[in-house]
Amino acid sequence: QKEVEQNSGPLSVPEGAIASLNCTYSDRVSQSFFWYRQYSGKSPELIMSIYSNGDKEDGRFTAQLNKASQYVSLLIRDSQPSDSATYLCADMQGGKLIFGQGTELSVKP
Amino acid sequence: GAVVSQHPSWVICKSGTSVKIECRSLDFQATTMFWYRQFPKQSLMLMATSNEGSKATYEQGVEKDKFLINHASLTLSTLTVTSAHPEDSSFYICSAEGGQGRYEQYFGPGTRLTVT
Repeated sequence: QKEVEQNSGPLSVPEGAIASLNCTYSDRVSQSFFWYRQYSGKSPELIMSIYSNGDKEDGRFTAQLNKASQYVSLLIRDSQPSDSATYLCADMQGGKLIFGQGTELSVKP
Repeated sequence: GAVVSQHPSWVICKSGTSVKIECRSLDFQATTMFWYRQFPKQSLMLMATSNEGSKATYEQGVEKDKFLINHASLTLSTLTVTSAHPEDSSFYICSAEGGQGRYEQYFGPGTRLTVT
């Protein structure tokens, strides 16, 4: 299986700012990408899925996919302390999710 | 929608005993279910993939005789950790595919296993 890479962080942003989380993947044929949020001690929660190039918005979250650059990102607008968590990027390879190591986000009040 | 439950949420057992963990998709039929384990400060590690009515597919390095998976119906999969040892202590999480999204996996809340 091919890798999915994320900066482990921690990424620290002030409350109200935009948090930008980035992910690169090495499998050129990947078509399906996902962002999960995981609070400490809890299981992952699906935030967004994205399958096509471009942007996909859902509330304060925007996922961006660029297949040519093999890059997927997640923007969180108006960040809140409750957004502090580890964010996992994943792509689907052979019917299985391949996760990055996760980026720890800390939103400071 | 797309709710997955797990039971129990935590369990403590003695070394050498077996533990069964249930995973249920509550409001959708799951074509495929997955079992993961996660150690502290590490990412998820896929253990096996199961489809209803067929044998599970285990990832390399996962002992299928130790981690028994049964996918009895489109809403229920079970993981049995047999002859558990302290090194099996971990956070076990199931996920189910087949909700509203195309390939989206929805995770259960996890089961924290401690083997003494």
